[in-house]
Amino acid sequence: KNEVEQSPQNLTAQEGEFITINCSYSVGISALHWLQQHPGGGIVSLFMLSSGKKKHGRLIATINIQEKHSSLHITASHPRDSAVYICAFYQGAQKLVFGQGTRLTINP
Amino acid sequence: GAGVSQTPSNKVTEKGKYVELRCDPISGHTALYWYRQSLGQGPEFLIYFQGTGAADDSGLPNDRFFAVRPEGSVSTLKIQRTERGDSAVYLCASSPGTYNEQFFGPGTRLTVL
Repeated sequence: KNEVEQSPQNLTAQEGEFITINCSYSVGISALHWLQQHPGGGIVSLFMLSSGKKKHGRLIATINIQEKHSSLHITASHPRDSAVYICAFYQGAQKLVFGQGTRLTINP
Repeated sequence: GAGVSQTPSNKVTEKGKYVELRCDPISGHTALYWYRQSLGQGPEFLIYFQGTGAADDSGLPNDRFFAVRPEGSVSTLKIQRTERGDSAVYLCASSPGTYNEQFFGPGTRLTVL
């Protein structure tokens, strides 16, 4: 069983829709990353959070440490939001353990 | 300022050859990470450096893989006797220290024919 599971694996929506991507993990963690990867591009860190909620522009990330669950929300989605979104957590101090990613496509 | 850079951006090689992949981290970042990403998968950890030393190399798949960071800045990932299964995007990341946000390079796409 993977230590981190994301759902859905693929998501297609229309411009303007509210998007939710979920991340569940099976081990105790201190913090979780949400990352964005564009096709052919590098990975960009969106959030690192250990409790509650963080907001940056149209992106909102929440985490419930007790329930081992985090969500990434995108409000007023736009085609430029189309990318792969990945959650990851630190295993020890050294390395990130990544989910398999959620491929998001926003159609105009 | 400059982000993490990786060279080459693409590398095509033949089975059995030796390859070197280079990572230039953000200046001043003490922690450096190598990951490998296969198509349709999330990245997988390979090795982590704190300064010049490899603090954790548990993700290296076998002894054909080796990485160095001799001066605590630039790192080189070396793969001997490449195999077709080594084909992937190799990502490098750096951070100011442990438990910090990691900054990723654009990756090197390695194709072994």
